[in-house]
Amino acid sequence: EVQLVQSGAEVKKPGESLRISCKGSGYNFSNYWISWVRQMPGKGLEWMGRTAPNDSPPNYSPSLQGHVTMSADKSITTAYLEWSSLKASDSGIYYCASTVEGGDYWGQGTLVTVSS
Amino acid sequence: QPVLTQTPSASASLGASVTLTCTLSSGYSHYKVDWYQQRPGEGPRFVMRVGAGGIVGSRGDGIPDRFSVLGSGLNRYLTIKNIQEEDESDYHCGADHGGETNFVYVFGGGTTLTVL
Repeated sequence: EVQLVQSGAEVKKPGESLRISCKGSGYNFSNYWISWVRQMPGKGLEWMGRTAPNDSPPNYSPSLQGHVTMSADKSITTAYLEWSSLKASDSGIYYCASTVEGGDYWGQGTLVTVSS
Repeated sequence: QPVLTQTPSASASLGASVTLTCTLSSGYSHYKVDWYQQRPGEGPRFVMRVGAGGIVGSRGDGIPDRFSVLGSGLNRYLTIKNIQEEDESDYHCGADHGGETNFVYVFGGGTTLTVL
């Protein structure tokens, strides 16, 4: 069974760094891109970018490029979304998602709260 | 890249039918669109992909055959027949654009469906 399991909720202050994770299981992790999707409170979905567990470079949404870093470690079948300096406007729920063998799979979401 | 437009809200009575619309911006009538369902407090769930000729691939896991799709011109429709209480959700459409090196995915603003 394909599963994407995300790390737990985080509470951070503006300016702090953060890395959240998404662990894939039940499929060949190296073969499929993993996207990150943001949902601000009460708002719609926003695609942030995607990372490939092989050596292909990530694709980022033009509106977010430079603010986040996406990566993956195929040895532990885990993808990461990282901020070096959080802003209050980064608060929201972050989902990882992947299309595997024609099926669409989502993580359970990670709630990030950035507040002073 | 395409812009996807959705009506912010819709409503339908229990047992009735409703059609939700996702409109692609001009020049993108050949694009396929993904529909997602997001129940309150839950993450998104893939419903179906639709192109100008109708459904592409198969329904998402657990999506009943009361859900159907149709494509016409710039519009991609999701119809729900015999609406049930559990269909009360936000419905998002999305589409991918570009190749492996310049890939982006865009979402519409979402439609909140209220079951009366």
